[in-house]
Amino acid sequence: EAGVAQSPRYKIIEKRQSVAFWCNPISGHATLYWYQQILGQGPKLLIQFQNNGVVDDSQLPKDRFSAERLKGVDSTLKIQPAKLEDSAVYLCAAQAVTDTQYFGPGTRLTVL
Amino acid sequence: AQSVTQPDIHITVSEGASLELRCNYSYGATPYLFWYVQSPGQGLQLLLKYFSGDTLVQGIKGFEAEFKRSQSSFNLRKPSVHWSDAAEYFCAVASPSGSARQLTFGSGTQLTVLP
Repeated sequence: EAGVAQSPRYKIIEKRQSVAFWCNPISGHATLYWYQQILGQGPKLLIQFQNNGVVDDSQLPKDRFSAERLKGVDSTLKIQPAKLEDSAVYLCAAQAVTDTQYFGPGTRLTVL
Repeated sequence: AQSVTQPDIHITVSEGASLELRCNYSYGATPYLFWYVQSPGQGLQLLLKYFSGDTLVQGIKGFEAEFKRSQSSFNLRKPSVHWSDAAEYFCAVASPSGSARQLTFGSGTQLTVLP
């Protein structure tokens, strides 16, 4: 089966700019997650979608982060405006009924 | 709240030596348990998982893990390490109840393999 696709792979922006990440999960995988992985740490959940509905966004900094999943397939994560502490790898994961999450390669964001 | 502790930030082993990476968790019941590996610039790849049943779990690339309820541990092992195993390893837990399977990760163990 095809993997989880993410783009761009790398992004460098200045603080206060906006940025968007895109995720295309595995076909048929209804559940989609976005994680933030700061250097030297494990990934931390930002938001979980089930089809095109949000299941849990309690850890998403909603003053600057937003996410959507149109038609229950692709998803975008946006940061506006970005802060220095947002520098991290943003990982998208897809899950089917097997309770196993499959991760994309991630987008490495550097905020200067 | 659930948490995962990986006490070893960095481990160095020689190629061909055995390996054990430690993982301890804090959770009200027995969670679902996972080990993932992350190579530089790559996403996370699942090595193995434990949901229930036999407490010794076999995974890919020759890895295995043993769930010990009494110690709240899920340590990862490999009898003979290969240079290609150099990577970062993450232990993770998820709730076994409900439909949400959000993963809580440990902080990772960086593995270096010496020739």
